Amino acid sequence: QKEVEQDPGPLSVPEGAIVSLNCTYSNSAFQYFMWYRQYSRKGPELLMYTYSSGNKEDGRFTAQVDKSSKYISLFIRDSQPSDSATYLCAMSEDNYGQNFVFGPGTRLSVLP
Amino acid sequence: DVKVTQSSRYLVKRTGEKVFLECVQDMDHENMFWYRQDPGLGLRLIYFSYDVKMKEKGDIPEGYSVSREKKERFSLILESASTNQTSMYLCASITSSNNNEQFFGPGTRLTVL
Repeated sequence: QKEVEQDPGPLSVPEGAIVSLNCTYSNSAFQYFMWYRQYSRKGPELLMYTYSSGNKEDGRFTAQVDKSSKYISLFIRDSQPSDSATYLCAMSEDNYGQNFVFGPGTRLSVLP
Repeated sequence: DVKVTQSSRYLVKRTGEKVFLECVQDMDHENMFWYRQDPGLGLRLIYFSYDVKMKEKGDIPEGYSVSREKKERFSLILESASTNQTSMYLCASITSSNNNEQFFGPGTRLTVL
């Protein structure tokens, strides 16, 4: 079993839809959870960062962490074509960059 | 505007060649990383460096080496390229005081024939 699992997609949604992206993990010691967005032919960029359990909101984006279920989610409201990208989850026990574990990414297409 | 740059966007090499991938960051970050990204596998850490001339192996160091002679520059070396090293290579950097955000370069897509 991989340490971090993520549905690779592709996921296609119409503009304006609510998008739910998810990751599951096996290591209960993970405490730091991140979502990165990667546009085609670009490097990933940090979108959301959450420590421990709970929700965090930033504009149209909401990150949720459920440590009891070992499950994290990223919700995108009112999705736009500019949200079309690959979304990578990442997590770590100790917030040191060398210990980040990345999911394989979900490719999202938002259709106008 | 913070920046991580990589020397090449696309590279085609032959089996057995020595390959140099260079990464430069302008943020005065202490820590730098080399990852490879393959479909279905996510990002896997090859090597990282937390200071000039310091290096540590990541999860998949075999077949690779690194060099960090200056703080802003981190090089990945494939001593003898093989076809299974065909991949996207991503460089990243992070400051010691704010570890939750890695800044990534645009990537180098390496094809080994």
